Amino acid sequence: GAGVSQSPRYKVAKRGQDVALRCDPISGHVSLFWYQQALGQGPEFLTYFQNEAQLDKSGLPSDRFFAERPEGSVSTLKIQRTQQEDSAVYLCASSENPGLATTDTQYFGPGTRLTVL
Amino acid sequence: AQKITQTQPGMFVQEKEAVTLDCTYDTSDPSYGLFWYKQPSSGEMIFLIYQGSYDQQNATEGRYSLNFQKARKSANLVISASQLGDSAMYFCAMSTGNRDDKIIFGKGTRLHILP
Repeated sequence: GAGVSQSPRYKVAKRGQDVALRCDPISGHVSLFWYQQALGQGPEFLTYFQNEAQLDKSGLPSDRFFAERPEGSVSTLKIQRTQQEDSAVYLCASSENPGLATTDTQYFGPGTRLTVL
Repeated sequence: AQKITQTQPGMFVQEKEAVTLDCTYDTSDPSYGLFWYKQPSSGEMIFLIYQGSYDQQNATEGRYSLNFQKARKSANLVISASQLGDSAMYFCAMSTGNRDDKIIFGKGTRLHILP
């Protein structure tokens, strides 16, 4: 079956530009997560959706970061006025059941590698 | 607070040998889950294996097994009969039943399989 897909796979932006990263979770998965992975590090939590509701955005590094999932399926992570420190891989994951604190397996997409010049 | 520690930044192993990747964790929550993910150079995080804190037996999935030692708070990944395709980054992760806790990842171990 289809897994989690993300687009674009690679994005190069000039400092100050806005970017939008898309995530298509596994069909029917209730939970959707965004992570930021810096070079040589493990992923770090950004935000969590249960269906269309954004229940936790405590990991978003600044108010330049905004995420939405308006119909409870596809999600978009938007970064406004990108800075060089935003350069990272942005991973999306989905899981079948609701709950931020869950032992449910998360299935990850391939990530979007964002490079800000 | 939760914590995941992977102490091996890199490992080199001869093909067909078994390899153990170390992971220790810390949590005060009695209910938690431990995960291992593989991240090849393509970037995708591939789920390998899961162990629940109340599971009586160690988890196994094909060539992967999880050596779960609850008292020591360790959850080492064992890969038997390693293959060249096993070369990748490996991340240990933990999630708990505490509603304010998110899944957290270790820093990873880069595994190199030598022909």
